[in-house]
Amino acid sequence: AQSVAQPEDQVNVAEGNPLTVKCTYSVSGNPYLFWYVQYPNRGLQFLLKYITGDNLVKGSYGFEAEFNKSQTSFHLKKPSALVSDSALYFCAVRDMGTGANNLFFGTGTRLTVIP
Amino acid sequence: DAGVTQSPTHLIKTRGQQVTLRCSPISGHKSVSWYQQVLGQGPQFIFQYYEKEERGRGNFPDRFSARQFPNYSSELNVNALLLGDSALYLCASSLVASSYNSPLHFGNGTRLTVT
Repeated sequence: AQSVAQPEDQVNVAEGNPLTVKCTYSVSGNPYLFWYVQYPNRGLQFLLKYITGDNLVKGSYGFEAEFNKSQTSFHLKKPSALVSDSALYFCAVRDMGTGANNLFFGTGTRLTVIP
Repeated sequence: DAGVTQSPTHLIKTRGQQVTLRCSPISGHKSVSWYQQVLGQGPQFIFQYYEKEERGRGNFPDRFSARQFPNYSSELNVNALLLGDSALYLCASSLVASSYNSPLHFGNGTRLTVT
């Protein structure tokens, strides 16, 4: 079975500093990994995905993620945090068992960027 | 172009009642997926429909059902509501059935409260 873990419920970072939101995964077969962001009272917005290829994936709003097969991790990063990046971030993995669009989401990490 | 639209935005029901939630996908998108997001958790996959056929089903009881119409809009029905059904219900559309190369676009959700 597929699963993802987000070990940190909350991450605080000062504006202008680099940020990292951690995600580890467990899959049988090739991993298909995603990051989504959720702002208050809104749905989820797609940030980036890893299917295959380069281990460093670039996405929307200056975010990138590093795929590490040996550590089974897919951490989200940004070189310089903005206050507007404050939101709830979800890591997700494709669940191959129950449907093409079945993404198994982690429990989320709340990012707060402090001015 | 309009994004994924869901109605209603909020709903309050009593235990035992039935509810219907509606979703209109982005124009041209033929796949609709439904997710349940309980407070403090990540979204959980309920159903996927593509070209009016069910393509995937998550681990939800038979009280949950859905359908997709010829215009690709979709309805999610929940019968015999329980307190535990209180959640944000998210609809997501994609261009094709698989999210490999077509990320999910989420609506803002319907907040269902069961009392």
